[in-house]
Amino acid sequence: KAGVTQTPRYLIKTRGQQVTLSCSPISGHRSVSWYQQTPGQGLQFLFEYFSETQRNKGNFPGRFSGRQFSNSRSEMNVSTLELGDSALYLCASSPFQFTGGRTEAFFGQGTRLTVV
Amino acid sequence: TQLLEQSPQFLSIQEGENLTVYCNSSSVFSSLQWYRQEPGEGPVLLVTVVTGGEVKKLKRLTFQFGDARKDSSLHITAAQPGDTGLYLCAGLLGGSQGNLIFGKGTKLSVKP
Repeated sequence: KAGVTQTPRYLIKTRGQQVTLSCSPISGHRSVSWYQQTPGQGLQFLFEYFSETQRNKGNFPGRFSGRQFSNSRSEMNVSTLELGDSALYLCASSPFQFTGGRTEAFFGQGTRLTVV
Repeated sequence: TQLLEQSPQFLSIQEGENLTVYCNSSSVFSSLQWYRQEPGEGPVLLVTVVTGGEVKKLKRLTFQFGDARKDSSLHITAAQPGDTGLYLCAGLLGGSQGNLIFGKGTKLSVKP
């Protein structure tokens, strides 16, 4: 069974630009969550999508948005990039929605975004 | 305020030593997961504990969930260089707040 696939692996963008990251979950998984990982803050929850609907959102500005398609693939978009957005962005898939309280996250390798 | 406090932040030991990593919170979790992450990779799930007082063993790794489901520990016996990595605990609050809350991690280095 293929794991979670994130593309691209590495990305360099300029301040003010926008970026779109992609995540293909494990086959059969319907939940996709996004996390930002930085050395100072660790892993922070961005949002979760389940059945094409955003189910939960972390404490990030509106510049961070996402969507999920009918095949469960998800994209995350960051507009008007800032230097502080440089981070490893991780996508996790799960067979069930996290509000169920009993599911597990399977992570992709991440996209390393550098904003210059 | 960090909801899940992990300690220690860094740990450097010699091969063959034992170690324990702690994960503490004032919140009650419906389940708690431990992950190991290597540089440039995503976290890999090691174990999930769901019942208060539960103990799970994975070869030389022993995971424990506190009775009140607010804390957890990871104990490694006879550490090996291959155990080197970032260990993360993550709690699932469940209910309408259902998303994983991560600790900041423990960076373990095992020297041969």
